[in-house]
Amino acid sequence: GDSVTQMEGPVTLSEEAFLTINCTYTATGYPSLFWYVQYPGEGLQLLLKATKADDKGSNKGFEATYRKETTSFHLEKGSVQVSDSAVYFCALSGSARQLTFGSGTQLTVLP
Amino acid sequence: GAVVSQHPSRVICKSGTSVKIECRSLDFQATTMFWYRQFPKQSLMLMATSNEGSKATYEQGVEKDKFLINHASLTLSTLTVTSAHPEDSSFYICSANPRVADQETQYFGPGTRLLVL
Repeated sequence: GDSVTQMEGPVTLSEEAFLTINCTYTATGYPSLFWYVQYPGEGLQLLLKATKADDKGSNKGFEATYRKETTSFHLEKGSVQVSDSAVYFCALSGSARQLTFGSGTQLTVLP
Repeated sequence: GAVVSQHPSRVICKSGTSVKIECRSLDFQATTMFWYRQFPKQSLMLMATSNEGSKATYEQGVEKDKFLINHASLTLSTLTVTSAHPEDSSFYICSANPRVADQETQYFGPGTRLLVL
């Protein structure tokens, strides 16, 4: 079945540092890929998505590129802020339109 | 756009009582809504898929008689935790797929924290 493997956390960075959170997937067919962010005590917010190979999703300075050859969708941001502290989930949407989530990565950004 | 609300945001109840959680898509119609459960510091676990006007599809290991799901309209799905027990305490999150256009993206509600005493 479908699966998503996400970089283990927690990740702690200083403000303005570069962020990479790795995500790889296993799926049949051509899934769509997503990054969701969850702030403390809240639900998930869609951060960005990509629906086909080589697509780059971007939002709020975050980027991720759909790499079919490496089955990856790594999340990057050039300069993180304290307000980016949250849990980040990588997910894929398969043929049944159900989301398969990674385990989540806790990011803490220190001032 | 694509806002999903949940009510209540937090509920405390006594063991043995039933609790109903509402999930509404505020500015779009949703053919499909999903219910998840999330334990502290863990990922989301899909409980069931709810299609408007038909019975919900439950994931393996989820008791359908315990977690009753009703999707009566294109903007409302409800989850009722029947005869709740302390082990049902958790964070319950719903999501919805828009009826038109991009049907792959799920939009999530803010979650409902249930505490059963």
